[in-house]
Amino acid sequence: IAGITQAPTSQILAAGRRMTLRCTQDMRHNAMYWYRQDLGLGLRLIHYSNTAGTTGKGEVPDGYSVSRANTDDFPLTLASAVPSQTSVYFCASSVDWGETQYFGPGTRLLVL
Amino acid sequence: GESVGLHLPTLSVQEGDNSIINCAYSNSASDYFIWYKQESGKGPQFIIDIRSNMDKRQGQRVTVLLNKTVKHLSLQIAATQPGDSAVYFCAENAGGTSYGKLTFGQGTILTVHP
Repeated sequence: IAGITQAPTSQILAAGRRMTLRCTQDMRHNAMYWYRQDLGLGLRLIHYSNTAGTTGKGEVPDGYSVSRANTDDFPLTLASAVPSQTSVYFCASSVDWGETQYFGPGTRLLVL
Repeated sequence: GESVGLHLPTLSVQEGDNSIINCAYSNSASDYFIWYKQESGKGPQFIIDIRSNMDKRQGQRVTVLLNKTVKHLSLQIAATQPGDSAVYFCAENAGGTSYGKLTFGQGTILTVHP
């Protein structure tokens, strides 16, 4: 089934631990994005990649890193998790930069 | 209605009624607008989009209207059904150096009563 998959579905994480959220798309989209969604603040862009091999910072990049080694995968890493990173994380992709973005099912992360 | 960056409004309608969800945007350079639907526990789902060279675009049971003069966007849902209950977000794609980065509104909660 074509689309975006994210893993894990949910996670409880101790503060200070390292965590990688996985995102894979099979639509051969060039651009990929990571957002966090917090109640009352909507969706905010963390990092993006407009093509494999390149990445950029979004609105709230601090504490997060990404890599884009190939077209399909776009992992998001929290090097040392803090409670303020408790959120729902969505990965999205688009055919090309600036086109309609399609979202994955999300990862619910609780940092204690 | 909804403004990009403000509190979350709600809209309650009866099944079969038409629904209108509003969105105000502030960036006059924005040239592409998208409406998303998000059901509880799921990711945002694309509904319809419109570019700034258009005033109106229709889909299946949905219509998006764009008024660039007053920087206003609306989503009209015809014959609203219980399955339409969700949070609806508008998003804008600003031009210039921000091109490609979507800015989302905080959403409108639509509740459809049978």
